This record gives sequence, C-alpha cells and structure tokens, in this order.
Amino acid sequence: KNEVEQSPQNLTAQEGEFITINCSYSVGISALHWLQQHPGGGIVSLFMLSSGKKKHGRLIATINIQEKHSSLHITASHPRDSAVYICAVSSYGGSQGNLIFGKGTKLSVKP
Amino acid sequence: DGGITQSPKYLFRKEGQNVTLSCEQNLNHDAMYWYRQDPGQGLRLIYYSQIVNDFQKGDIAEGYSVSREKKESFPLTVTSAQKNPTAFYLCASSIGRLASRGETQYFGPGTRLLVL
Repeated sequence: KNEVEQSPQNLTAQEGEFITINCSYSVGISALHWLQQHPGGGIVSLFMLSSGKKKHGRLIATINIQEKHSSLHITASHPRDSAVYICAVSSYGGSQGNLIFGKGTKLSVKP
Repeated sequence: DGGITQSPKYLFRKEGQNVTLSCEQNLNHDAMYWYRQDPGQGLRLIYYSQIVNDFQKGDIAEGYSVSREKKESFPLTVTSAQKNPTAFYLCASSIGRLASRGETQYFGPGTRLLVL
C-alpha cells in the first residue's frame, strides 16, 4: 500500500465548478505539501501545512492530522487550473525525512 | 530572478552512454535533490545533498551518480548501468538541510531523457 494516496486519479470539471482533491497518508509527518504540475512538466509549490487550513486566492487546503487526511479545494474553477495536483508529505522516517509523493490527480477543466 | 534551471530540456542517450543532467540554483539554498518521474507514478528520490561536498543516496540511486562541488550546482549523471533511464528528471532545492522539518522545495523545469 502506498504511503500517500490521492483521489481521484483523474477529474474532469466544467468551468466554474467547485473541485475537491483528497489525500490520505499513513506515516507520521511534520508537514504536508500540495504541488501543481503544469503540462510542460514544471512543478510549483501551492501550500505547505501542518495543521488547520490555508487559503490563497481560489485555492484552499485543509488538513486533519488525527485522520491523516488533507483536501485541496478549488473554487470557481477555470481552464487554466488544468494540471496535475500532487500531494506530498515530509515524514519523520525514510531518507532524512525527504518528501513522499502521491501519484497525482490530473484535473481537466472544460470551458 | 532567483530560481532553478535545468538543462537540457530534452536529452537523448545511446546504449552504453553516460549522460549528465545539469541543475543550477541561485536561491542560496543548502539542500538540493534529484527526482525521477515515470508515468502513473509519484516522484521518487534519486540523490540528495544537504551541503557542499556531501550527498546521500535516495530510494533509487542505482545507475546514477552526483557531485556537489559548488553550492549552486548539483549535476546528475545517468550511467550505462541504469537500464531503464527513460523518464522525466526533476531537480529541487530547499533552504535548510533537513527536509524532515517540512521546508518548501522549489523545483526546476525538468529534463526529459529518452533512449535512442
């Protein structure tokens, strides 16, 4: 079983819809990261959080440490939000606590 | 502008050939990382370096080698021992030396390696 699981794997939405991507993990963590990978391949960090909730523009990330679960929400989705969204955790074990990545959720927003 | 650059964008390797992927950062970050991305899989750590002249193997280091002679540079060599090198390679960096503190990693644009 993967230590970081994301759902869904693929998501198609209409412009304007509210989108939720989920991430569950099974290891102890110091932080959880949400990353965005554009079709060209480059990755940008959206959020790093260890508790509660963070908001940036139309993006909201929440984490429940007790349930080992995080969600990424996109409000009023737009075609430019189309990308792969990756959940990653900084764990206490492993290679000096380096990031453990989920497989990503591919989001396509249709106009 | 501060950031991470990787070159080349595309790289072709012949059988038995070693190739080197470049990664340079001007963010003054101590830590640098190399990841491999395959379709349908999460990123996997190849090597990481927390300080100049020091580096550690990640989860899939076999067939790869690195050096860290300068703080700004962390080149990755894909050797002929790597039997399945076709993948997308991403370099990243972070401010501090311990990723377990949960610091943000900044990624380069990636290099796509293809075998001829």
